[in-house]
Amino acid sequence: GAGVSQSPSNKVTEKGKDVELRCDPISGHTALYWYRQRLGQGLEFLIYFQGNSAPDKSGLPSDRFSAERTGESVSTLTIQRTQQEDSAVYLCALVAVTGELFFGEGSRLTVL
Amino acid sequence: RKEVEQDPGPFNVPEGATVAFNCTYSNSASQSFFWYRQDCRKEPKLLMSVYSSGNEDGRFTAQLNRASQYISLLIRDSKLSDSATYLCADRYNFNKFYFGSGTKLNVKP
Repeated sequence: GAGVSQSPSNKVTEKGKDVELRCDPISGHTALYWYRQRLGQGLEFLIYFQGNSAPDKSGLPSDRFSAERTGESVSTLTIQRTQQEDSAVYLCALVAVTGELFFGEGSRLTVL
Repeated sequence: RKEVEQDPGPFNVPEGATVAFNCTYSNSASQSFFWYRQDCRKEPKLLMSVYSSGNEDGRFTAQLNRASQYISLLIRDSKLSDSATYLCADRYNFNKFYFGSGTKLNVKP
């Protein structure tokens, strides 16, 4: 979606490999979210960044998952030692001035 | 119990029909509510926000019932192009957004 660029759009990897997904937001958005959406499922909250505050990591499913963001810049979501159950679309989202979330187009991860 | 729950459907309706979805939320302190539309293999996109007084946008009407803790979406005069999955969401404690699993709508000719 406009204002949030995600890369790669598609990633196919082998089980056990590490992957890094990137979210590049337009400037001026201090709040940034990562969600996961498995095929046919709803949105699963992963992590939330707000400015320089400590991130809310309560949704990360395991210690194989980590994310970073410095200030209002790019965020990266890293999945180590990928498993087949990690296959999903990973969505980055920002909060609009009107209070709702708007999403990037997502990174589709397939773990073979 | 999930924070936000929806009937997954699918709702199969003919063109021109009126269809309604409900979505229940568990947290009475939730502050804001939203309906999103998600097309196949696309990201969710905001359809409309749900205000306490209700919200109408063309053929779409959203309502909030705080007493019973649900929000609703009514689609009148359904079009083929309305076929999609509709996600409801609530915003709690300023920075928590919870999404339902979505209700699938199929509008048939």
